[in-house]
Amino acid sequence: GDSVTQMEGPVTLSEEAFLTINCTYTATGYPSLFWYVQYPGEGLQLLLKATKADDKGSNKGFEATYRKETTSFHLEKGSVQVSDSAVYFCALSPPSSNTGKLIFGQGTTLQVKP
Amino acid sequence: DTEVTQTPKHLVMGMTNKKSLKCEQHMGHRAMYWYKQKAKKPPELMFVYSYEKLSINESVPSRFSPECPNSSLLNLHLHALQPEDSALYLCASSQGRRTDTQYFGPGTRLTVL
Repeated sequence: GDSVTQMEGPVTLSEEAFLTINCTYTATGYPSLFWYVQYPGEGLQLLLKATKADDKGSNKGFEATYRKETTSFHLEKGSVQVSDSAVYFCALSPPSSNTGKLIFGQGTTLQVKP
Repeated sequence: DTEVTQTPKHLVMGMTNKKSLKCEQHMGHRAMYWYKQKAKKPPELMFVYSYEKLSINESVPSRFSPECPNSSLLNLHLHALQPEDSALYLCASSQGRRTDTQYFGPGTRLTVL
């Protein structure tokens, strides 16, 4: 079945370091791909998305490119801030879905130290 | 307005109690979702409503009973819960297509004693 695999955390970085969080997926056809972020004590909010192959999603300095050939959607940011500390979830919506159902990866905790 | 509201923020209940969680959105979204999230885990889908009709039930125990009174409201009725049901319950809404963003509420933190 459809699934998402994320790199295990926690990831600890110093402020202004480069961030990569790996995400790969298994799905038939062309799913939509999402990165959601969850700050402590809050619900999830969309960070970025890409709905077809080779699309690049970007927001708040974060970027991810939909790579069909490697079935990946890695999250990157050039310079992290303490305020980026949160849990990041990669997710897909299967091509067959008519309800917008999301399948989440396990989540990666990011801690940024000053 | 891209806000999904949930009440209450916190709920403590005994195993014999009956309580309800409430979710509301005013974005005109046709799909609404209930998720359960345990600590340090991803959200687990419980139910999906599409056009006010139950579309997906992910084999959730009958002690959880969803209800969609209208296109803006989603309730989750709780009865005879177990301590392992303690979790963060998240509501979300979207237009329901696979390309659409789901907007999440802040959640209800449920503790079952």
